[in-house]
Amino acid sequence: NAGVMQNPRHLVRRRGQEARLRCSPMKGHSHVYWYRQLPEEGLKFMVYLQKENIIDESGMPKERFSAEFPKEGPSILRIQQVVRGDSAAYFCASSPGTPNTGELFFGEGSRLTVL
Amino acid sequence: ELKVEQNPLFLSMQEGKNYTIYCNYSTTSDRLYWYRQDPGKSLESLFVLLSNGAVKQEGRLMASLDTKARLSTLHITAAVHDLSATYFCAVDNPSGNTPLVFGKGTRLSVIA
Repeated sequence: NAGVMQNPRHLVRRRGQEARLRCSPMKGHSHVYWYRQLPEEGLKFMVYLQKENIIDESGMPKERFSAEFPKEGPSILRIQQVVRGDSAAYFCASSPGTPNTGELFFGEGSRLTVL
Repeated sequence: ELKVEQNPLFLSMQEGKNYTIYCNYSTTSDRLYWYRQDPGKSLESLFVLLSNGAVKQEGRLMASLDTKARLSTLHITAAVHDLSATYFCAVDNPSGNTPLVFGKGTRLSVIA
């Protein structure tokens, strides 16, 4: 399966712990996007990365959240000192480099529950 | 700031009936996307609309785009239970690098 791969699919953390979510884009895709979906809500953009570069992080909270997409390996979304409000589904999407239709291809999501 | 609004947000319809979901957006954009999400699942791409007047059909679903009116519609013909899901429209943000902006979704339930 050459789709977008996310892990873990489900993650439970206690308040104050750290959460690390991983995303491997589709083969041949160099652009990665992270979105957050709260229950009964749409998807909110968090951050857009290319290899080793953060292109746009305007949707990511300034504190406790960080993202990277290293030269080798998956993209990682890291949430430090989690709070209950961080409970959500975090979706990763990828797209090829330009030119492209702008379509994003989504992974299955990582569902974070903070106790 | 680009805003995307869908309506209705909730839709319960009988099998065999027709209905339309609307997606309005606030700033100029030529590209719009429809996705389907089943509960607890990922988003599946349904349609990619890349120009004014674009119309695409797949089975009982048909999507259209009017960039002048900043409006897209997703029309459902003779609904069946398998179409029950949440449908999202997303608009390509023309400013800067920020990617797709999503509507809140329309939760569709098709009942017998």
